[in-house]
Amino acid sequence: AQRVTQPEKLLSVFKGAPVELKCNYSYSGSPELFWYVQYSRQRLQLLLRHISRESIKGFTADLNKGETSFHLKKPFAQEEDSAMYYCAPLGNAGNMLTFGGGTRLMVKP
Amino acid sequence: GAVVSQHPSWVICKSGTSVKIECRSLDFQATTMFWYRQFPKQSLMLMATSNEGSKATYEQGVEKDKFLINHASLTLSTLTVTSAHPEDSSFYICSARGYRGYNEQFFGPGTRLTVL
Repeated sequence: AQRVTQPEKLLSVFKGAPVELKCNYSYSGSPELFWYVQYSRQRLQLLLRHISRESIKGFTADLNKGETSFHLKKPFAQEEDSAMYYCAPLGNAGNMLTFGGGTRLMVKP
Repeated sequence: GAVVSQHPSWVICKSGTSVKIECRSLDFQATTMFWYRQFPKQSLMLMATSNEGSKATYEQGVEKDKFLINHASLTLSTLTVTSAHPEDSSFYICSARGYRGYNEQFFGPGTRLTVL
């Protein structure tokens, strides 16, 4: 069965500390993977996608096909990074996103 | 950038009534729109996928006769919750995907439905 898992519901770090939000997926084939972010009182928005191999707001995510993981990382967390983060693989039909349970990141001053 | 709006942003209704939620893509044509439901402190769960001019595809466990979806144009999809009951109270979010070269979805701000 296709599944995406974000094992941590809450991740709390101090400002300037490194942060890693974990995402593991169980999909056949090679799904396209995304990270979405939802800041307080704002709508869900795309943070980054694995095919772009880009860094957005200091965040990067590497697709590890061997471990079927797509962890989100940032070397130095900032207070404004506090938000809900969702890992979302695109279904094999290339049509719909499936969202992980989400991880709430809290960056303390 | 691409903007998706939802109306209303919140609605309170009596049990047994029907509620319509609109989702509009404001500056692009959406080939596909998606409807999600989010309970407090939980993730988004896909309810249905709709393509313009065709019937919506519902996820397993979602009653199509209760959650009516219409995607009559490339910029508008509606979700009607029929005969709403308190257990239908939730946050409903739509997203839209347009004629782009990649699979990015743009999300609306959501609609909070409370059924008394």
